[in-house]
Amino acid sequence: NAGVMQNPRHLVRRRGQEARLRCSPMKGHSHVYWYRQLPEEGLKFMVYLQKENIIDESGMPKERFSAEFPKEGPSILRIQQVVRGDSAAYFCASSPLGATPLHFGNGTRLTVT
Amino acid sequence: KNEVEQSPQNLTAQEGEFITINCSYSVGISALHWLQQHPGGGIVSLFMLSSGKKKHGRLIATINIQEKHSSLHITASHPRDSAVYICAVMTGGGSQGNLIFGKGTKLSVKP
Repeated sequence: NAGVMQNPRHLVRRRGQEARLRCSPMKGHSHVYWYRQLPEEGLKFMVYLQKENIIDESGMPKERFSAEFPKEGPSILRIQQVVRGDSAAYFCASSPLGATPLHFGNGTRLTVT
Repeated sequence: KNEVEQSPQNLTAQEGEFITINCSYSVGISALHWLQQHPGGGIVSLFMLSSGKKKHGRLIATINIQEKHSSLHITASHPRDSAVYICAVMTGGGSQGNLIFGKGTKLSVKP
C-alpha cells in the first residue's frame, strides 16, 4: 500500500509563473490536507479537502492560491503568479474517513527565483 | 506568545540516554499530535492523543489536559532518533487537520 505521494519533489519557478503541486492520498483515504513550511518557520495549515469539496480553507492566502481534490486524480495545490515569498516546503497529508492520525507525503520544495 | 510552545528548542544527547521533549499549549484542544521530521524533510506521525498516555516501542507520549501540557519521551535513545520533533494541536473548534504547530525540537543523538 503506497503512502501519500507528492510530486514533484522539487519545483523551481520564476516570479510570475504558475506552480502546480500534486498529492495522491493513500489508498482508501478520502481526506486531504495541505500545509506549508516556510524557511526557519513551523508548519502552517492551509486547506482541508474531501473529494470534490473544500471543507476548510481558513489557512489559504486570499489571493493566488487555490486547491482542488477532484473525483478522479490527485489533489492539486495551485499557486498563480508566484513570488519569492512563496518559496517553501509544501506538505500534503491524508486520512481515512472521519479519522486521524495523518499520513504525510515527503513534500514539494518550491523555489521561486 | 505562540499558542503551542515546545522546549527545548535544541537537544543533544548521548546514545542510550532518556529524552524528554515538552509541549505546552494555550488553547482548548480536541487532540494533540506528535510528529517526527527527518533530516531529509519527510514527516511521520508518531502519536495522536487526547488523554492519558500512549506507547509505541521506545516512544511514550503523555498528555495532561488540565495543565495543557504534553511530553514525548524516548527511552534508550539511538542516533537514528535524530530528527525534529513537532507538537501540533487540533483546537476544539477547528476542523480535522486544521492543526496549530509548535516550532519543533531538534534532537541530535551522538553515538
